[in-house]
Amino acid sequence: GENVEQHPSTLSVQEGDSAVIKCTYSDSASNYFPWYKQELGKGPQLIIDIRSNVGEKKDQRIAVTLNKTAKHFSLHITETQPEDSAVYFCAASWGNKLTFGGGTRVLVKP
Amino acid sequence: DSGVTQTPKHLITATGQRVTLRCSPRSGDLSVYWYQQSLDQGLQFLIQYYNGEERAKGNILERFSAQQFPDLHSELNLSSLELGDSALYFCASSLASGGRTDTQYFGPGTRLTVL
Repeated sequence: GENVEQHPSTLSVQEGDSAVIKCTYSDSASNYFPWYKQELGKGPQLIIDIRSNVGEKKDQRIAVTLNKTAKHFSLHITETQPEDSAVYFCAASWGNKLTFGGGTRVLVKP
Repeated sequence: DSGVTQTPKHLITATGQRVTLRCSPRSGDLSVYWYQQSLDQGLQFLIQYYNGEERAKGNILERFSAQQFPDLHSELNLSSLELGDSALYFCASSLASGGRTDTQYFGPGTRLTVL
């Protein structure tokens, strides 16, 4: 089955700096790659997603890149703010079954 | 707010007991998914229902079962509970179950504690 590896597991950045989280997946048939943000006591919230026919997608301070050949995708957050502090999960899917990475705890220090 | 609702928010019970978790999908969504989030296993897919029928199964234990009702709400039944079943249980919903993967929207979760 699909396996998704996510790195780093924790990331501490200074406010205003950029944060990058990387994920690799095993199933070359995967064609949908969402990113979720989970705050304490809440459910995962979709922040951005990308499909396999696209190499890059951007939404304000958030961008995702996908390299199908290498089977990895990354989340980039620019100009980080304290409210970006949360746990971020990547996922990969073929069909409707999402396989999640282990999560990255991001701390933005003011 | 994703539009997915889950009840109860918290549930405390004893080993060997049975509990039912409830989920109402976003208006218009036909698919419901259940996930378990634990510290050691992360977020794991359990099962998907589409318009009342089971569509996909993940790492769901035989002691667990689910169903989706005609009004599209879903229930996850957990029986013969063990300490290791303590976790957050999330429901997600999406529009359909076609070949194209739909965006899944998650509810706030139910925290289950088995004592």
